[in-house]
Amino acid sequence: QVKLLQSGAALVKPGASVKMSCKASGYTFTDYWVSWVKQSHGKSLEWIGEIYPNSGATNFNEKFKGKATLTVDKSTSTAYMELSRLTSEDSAIYYCTLFPYWGQGVMVTVSS
Amino acid sequence: DVVLTQTPSTLSATIGQSVSISCRSSQSLLDSAGNTYLYWYLQRPGQSPQLLIYLVSNLGSGVPNRFSGSGSGTDFTLKISGVEAEDLGVYYCMQATHAPFTFGSGTKLEIK
Repeated sequence: QVKLLQSGAALVKPGASVKMSCKASGYTFTDYWVSWVKQSHGKSLEWIGEIYPNSGATNFNEKFKGKATLTVDKSTSTAYMELSRLTSEDSAIYYCTLFPYWGQGVMVTVSS
Repeated sequence: DVVLTQTPSTLSATIGQSVSISCRSSQSLLDSAGNTYLYWYLQRPGQSPQLLIYLVSNLGSGVPNRFSGSGSGTDFTLKISGVEAEDLGVYYCMQATHAPFTFGSGTKLEIK
């Protein structure tokens, strides 16, 4: 069955970057778009963007352009998202999703 | 961006009661090919969202048939016919017809 296993929680300092992973299994990784979604504490969900592993093509929510970078490693069926120039507004849970399948989420806390 | 307005924001129900959640879109979600990419998700406390309904009215895999979806264009409804204790959580509608994909603000279902 489809599984998306995300990396562990991260505590990072303001101004730094963080890179998280999403290891996929149970399907052909290169055939489906992988999306990333942000959920700030107690709030709704925001779509960040998506990547097509076969070509590396990406689509982004304008709000997250310049903030998020999406990449993949086809050899390990893993998708990555890097967030840069972190502020307290970036503290949230980040999910990777192959709609309708979701990873367990990564909690990112930005604090000095 | 498409704005999805969910009402009510909070719903309190007894076991066995039937309830409905509304999701209204700022634009029609019908695309040029005749598809309407409107989904319903349930996020239980501490968990990732799980799919309930896809393409307005189709039941997700393994989802109990007490859940049903309806609607068209800009107005959509999720109905739970006979709430059970396991249904507590936050319900989100999501649209994928227009980029960026967007989510409603959520409806929290509480069990009396």
